[in-house]
Amino acid sequence: KAGVTQTPRYLIKTRGQQVTLSCSPISGHRSVSWYQQTPGQGLQFLFEYFSETQRNKGNFPGRFSGRQFSNSRSEMNVSTLELGDSALYLCASRFGQGVSSGANVLTFGAGSRLTVL
Amino acid sequence: QQQVKQSPQSLIVQKGGISIINCAYENTAFDYFPWYQQFPGKGPALLIAIRPDVSEKKEGRFTISFNKSAKQFSLHIMDSQPGDSATYFCAASIEGGATNKLIFGTGTLLAVQP
Repeated sequence: KAGVTQTPRYLIKTRGQQVTLSCSPISGHRSVSWYQQTPGQGLQFLFEYFSETQRNKGNFPGRFSGRQFSNSRSEMNVSTLELGDSALYLCASRFGQGVSSGANVLTFGAGSRLTVL
Repeated sequence: QQQVKQSPQSLIVQKGGISIINCAYENTAFDYFPWYQQFPGKGPALLIAIRPDVSEKKEGRFTISFNKSAKQFSLHIMDSQPGDSATYFCAASIEGGATNKLIFGTGTLLAVQP
C-alpha cells in the first residue's frame, strides 16, 4: 500500500510569491491534515479536511489556505510568502473521523520542504 | 494550556541502555497521547499511543507510562539500539484522537552510541 505522497519534495520561492503544495493520501483515507514543521516552533497544526470540508484550523494567518478534492487529494496554498514561511510542510492522512485506533491513525508523508529567499 | 512540554531536548544513550523521554501537559481535556518517531528526511511515524484510562502500554521495546494525576507521560525505550537514533515527539489531542489536531512537544533528539 503506497504511503502519503507529497509533491514537490523541495522548492525554492522568493518573498511575495505564492506556492501550492499537493498531497495524495493513502488509498481509502478520507481525512487529510497539514502541519508546518520548523526548528523554532516544532510541529504546528494547519488544517484538517474530511469529505472536502475543513473540519479544523490552526492559528495561522489567512495567507495559508487549503482544500480537499472529491478523490481525497488535498492542496495547500501560501500566498505572499514571507521568510518565516520556510519550513517542512507535512501532510497526514487517516481513514476517517472517529477515535484513533487500529488502522485509523494519522500517517504522515515525507513533507515538502519550502525555502523562501 | 494547549502546550505539551517535552524534555530533554537531546539525549545520548549507550547501546543496550534505557532511553527515557518525558512530557507534561496542562489541558485535562486531552485524552489521546501518541508518540511519533522521525528520521532525517522522513515524516513522523506513529510509534505507540495511550489513552488516560491505562497507566502503561508496552509494545516491544517501547513503553509509555502515564500519570493522569500528575498530567505527565513518558516514553521508555528498552535495550536502545543505534537504529533508534531519531527525533521523538510526544503529542496530545482530544476526543480520543478523533480530531487530527495534535499538539506536539518540541522533540527529543536521541543518539544511541554503539
